[in-house]
Amino acid sequence: GQQVMQIPQYQHVQEGEDFTTYCNSSTTLSNIQWYKQRPGGHPVFLIQLVKSGEVKKQKRLTFQFGEAKKNSSLHITATQTTDVGTYFCAGPSSASKIIFGSGTRLSIRP
Amino acid sequence: KAGVTQTPRYLIKTRGQQVTLSCSPISGHRSVSWYQQTPGQGLQFLFEYFSETQRNKGNFPGRFSGRQFSNSRSEMNVSTLELGDSALYLCASSLAPGLAGVDTQYFGPGTRLTVL
Repeated sequence: GQQVMQIPQYQHVQEGEDFTTYCNSSTTLSNIQWYKQRPGGHPVFLIQLVKSGEVKKQKRLTFQFGEAKKNSSLHITATQTTDVGTYFCAGPSSASKIIFGSGTRLSIRP
Repeated sequence: KAGVTQTPRYLIKTRGQQVTLSCSPISGHRSVSWYQQTPGQGLQFLFEYFSETQRNKGNFPGRFSGRQFSNSRSEMNVSTLELGDSALYLCASSLAPGLAGVDTQYFGPGTRLTVL
């Protein structure tokens, strides 16, 4: 069945270092969304990418959608303690409404 | 505008019991989706309701059911609870089901269900 994998599963960085999480789908996606979930919180929508090769920026966050629309990445420049949380990608699913990636948990050393 | 609200926030049940969780979407949102989040399986889609009709369903047994009322509020029910049903149940609302994919999901705080 359709799968959406994220790597790495965990990332522990020093504050100020960069961070990247990768999302890979087994099928082509019409669009991809990214969510952030703080510890003890709920997922919060960050962004949606629709076009092949699309790149969007939100302050220190850069989101990319692959040319084949099967992969995506989220890059955070100069991490801050407020970036702590789990980052999920999500896309439309043929079997259900939506499928979420496994998530990448980011922790930061002050 | 108030966000998505879910009640109760915490619940403890025993195996074999049934449970009903409630979700009130953001005002004006007509689509409500339910998700189960566990450490092992991650975030999994349960079902979506729009205009009181179930539009999509995930791969969960029939013990999991839901409904939506005319004011867009939704409930989900789990019957004959099993230990593996312990999870965070999240509700998310959106304006409408996405036409070319998925509409932005606004999540509630969730209900933490523990089955003993």
